[in-house]
Amino acid sequence: DVKVTQSSRYLVKRTGEKVFLECVQDMDHENMFWYRQDPGLGLRLIYFSYDVKMKEKGDIPEGYSVSREKKERFSLILESASTNQTSMYLCASSQTGLSTDTQYFGPGTRLTVL
Amino acid sequence: AQKITQTQPGMFVQEKEAVTLDCTYDTSDPSYGLFWYKQPSSGEMIFLIYQGSYDQQNATEGRYSLNFQKARKSANLVISASQLGDSAMYFCAMREPLNTGGFKTIFGAGTRLFVKA
Repeated sequence: DVKVTQSSRYLVKRTGEKVFLECVQDMDHENMFWYRQDPGLGLRLIYFSYDVKMKEKGDIPEGYSVSREKKERFSLILESASTNQTSMYLCASSQTGLSTDTQYFGPGTRLTVL
Repeated sequence: AQKITQTQPGMFVQEKEAVTLDCTYDTSDPSYGLFWYKQPSSGEMIFLIYQGSYDQQNATEGRYSLNFQKARKSANLVISASQLGDSAMYFCAMREPLNTGGFKTIFGAGTRLFVKA
């Protein structure tokens, strides 16, 4: 079974802090994604990566950056956390070449910025 | 413009009955994929079913089936014989190719399903 893990289920940070959200997958997937989920808005793509050291902006990249130094690990960084970044953050991975390219998700990190 | 539309924010269904969750999509690309995910209260997103744009048959996975109507651009999820454990948030999603050669997946706002005993 594909396993995607995220470093924290719940996180509380203060405005202005630098925040790191870690995601690790154990299935050698090429593709990794970071989404945020807000009520009524579904999942919105922040950043994604198709290879090590490669990143592409999603729909809402402002205020975020990412790092992918190793294939299995994709980190989301909030350079200076703000209250409007309070949200649920979901990481996913997928493998290009499979007919469905299904994304498998981690359990999510609920971030609160005070 | 909204690319994935789920018009039902919430739905109730009686246990053991069938329920249809609506999803319409918008794309100009002939090659795309449609997904449904379930998100229970635990928060984890669980893949349910996939339909490719060139697939002739409607996808089925156990009690889940996808009613794919290409001309109408709809991809409704049908859950037969609802169970209490089906109570969850359901997301419709579409994967479409990017100019860069990769793919992007877009999610709808979700439908919360409540199964009544």
